[in-house]
Amino acid sequence: GENVEQHPSTLSVQEGDSAVIKCTYSDSASNYFPWYKQELGKRPQLIIDIRSNVGEKKDQRIAVTLNKTAKHFSLHITETQPEDSAVYFCAASRWYGGSQGNLIFGKGTKLSVKP
Amino acid sequence: GAVVSQHPSWVICKSGTSVKIECRSLDFQATTMFWYRQFPKQSLMLMATSNEGSKATYEQGVEKDKFLINHASLTLSTLTVTSAHPEDSSFYICSARQGAFVGNTEAFFGQGTRLTVV
Repeated sequence: GENVEQHPSTLSVQEGDSAVIKCTYSDSASNYFPWYKQELGKRPQLIIDIRSNVGEKKDQRIAVTLNKTAKHFSLHITETQPEDSAVYFCAASRWYGGSQGNLIFGKGTKLSVKP
Repeated sequence: GAVVSQHPSWVICKSGTSVKIECRSLDFQATTMFWYRQFPKQSLMLMATSNEGSKATYEQGVEKDKFLINHASLTLSTLTVTSAHPEDSSFYICSARQGAFVGNTEAFFGQGTRLTVV
């Protein structure tokens, strides 16, 4: 089955700096890669996603890149702000049996942005 | 985005009793719902996939007789933790997807249920 590895597990940056979180996946058939942000005690919220037919996607300060050959994808946050502090999860899923399969999550990255 | 409501948000129960957690899609029909378990400072571990009108598909290592899942309608799935023990204490969270179409890939999460078994 699919296995998703996420690094680093913790990341501390200064406000205004950039943050990069990387994930690798094992199933070459995976075709959907979302990123979720989870604040303490709250539900995960989708912040950006990318499908396998696209190499890069950007939404304001957030961007995701995908390298299908290497089977890795990354989250880039520019001009970080204290409110970006949270745990970020990457995930992967594949089209299976006529529908999008379940999400397999990475272990998460705790991002701390220091003012 | 779509709204998924989970109830209760927290529950404390005695060891040996059963607890039911509800997951509702409020403004869309969810053909598929997922149940996850999350330990402190850890990732979301998929427990089972719940499909409306059919039996749930459990992940390896998850006891189907202990974690009963029912998806009786397109807007409601329930997880019942039977004969709960302290080691079942965890954060349980559901997610739902609108349908099987390629465009409907986003999964929306409920707010989670903090279960404490004493």
